[in-house]
Amino acid sequence: DAGVTQSPTHLIKTRGQQVTLRCSPKSGHDTVSWYQQALGQGPQFIFQYYEEEERQRGNFPDRFSGHQFPNYSSELNVNALLLGDSALYLCASSLSSARPGELFFGEGSRLTVL
Amino acid sequence: GNSVTQMEGPVTLSEEAFLTINCTYTATGYPSLFWYVQYPGEGLQLLLKATKADDKGSNKGFEATYRKETTSFHLEKGSVQVSDSAVYFCALSKTGANSKLTFGKGITLSVRP
Repeated sequence: DAGVTQSPTHLIKTRGQQVTLRCSPKSGHDTVSWYQQALGQGPQFIFQYYEEEERQRGNFPDRFSGHQFPNYSSELNVNALLLGDSALYLCASSLSSARPGELFFGEGSRLTVL
Repeated sequence: GNSVTQMEGPVTLSEEAFLTINCTYTATGYPSLFWYVQYPGEGLQLLLKATKADDKGSNKGFEATYRKETTSFHLEKGSVQVSDSAVYFCALSKTGANSKLTFGKGITLSVRP
């Protein structure tokens, strides 16, 4: 049973560009959350998707957007990249009825903005 | 808003030493508390959790007790192993399905043979 898979694992962009990161949830999971982990910091919640709609959102600008597909996979899009967007982006999947903490994390996509 | 404060790191210990990693939190209501671990080259994993005051979470020899009076959730292990070398994150969430997690900064633990 594959866990949470993310792609790409590493990528480099320049300021002003746009990036799309992808996530396939653990089999059977219907909810996907995205977190940003800057170097030396803990993960910060970006948003969560369920039934193809954004259900919760953290304190991130509109440059960060997402999408969930009918097969529950998800994309994170970041427009007009800034140097400060350099981070590890983590995807976590869960069941819609998950109790607190019942999240499964992927290994992340490391984005470097030059 | 909610926040989690972890002790500054990194921490380096010899094998079989006693481990304590401090964590305090600020939250409204009665949050659930967690310790997550990030081993090198792996994704974040839930290590243990506690969902109400005085609960003790435990796993793999690690323990943490939910102390509402001191708003703390300190992680302890009686005898660390080299394989425990990892980054440890304290986190909290509201009690409810799929509530977002608020993490501390994390602390790197290195255990020497």
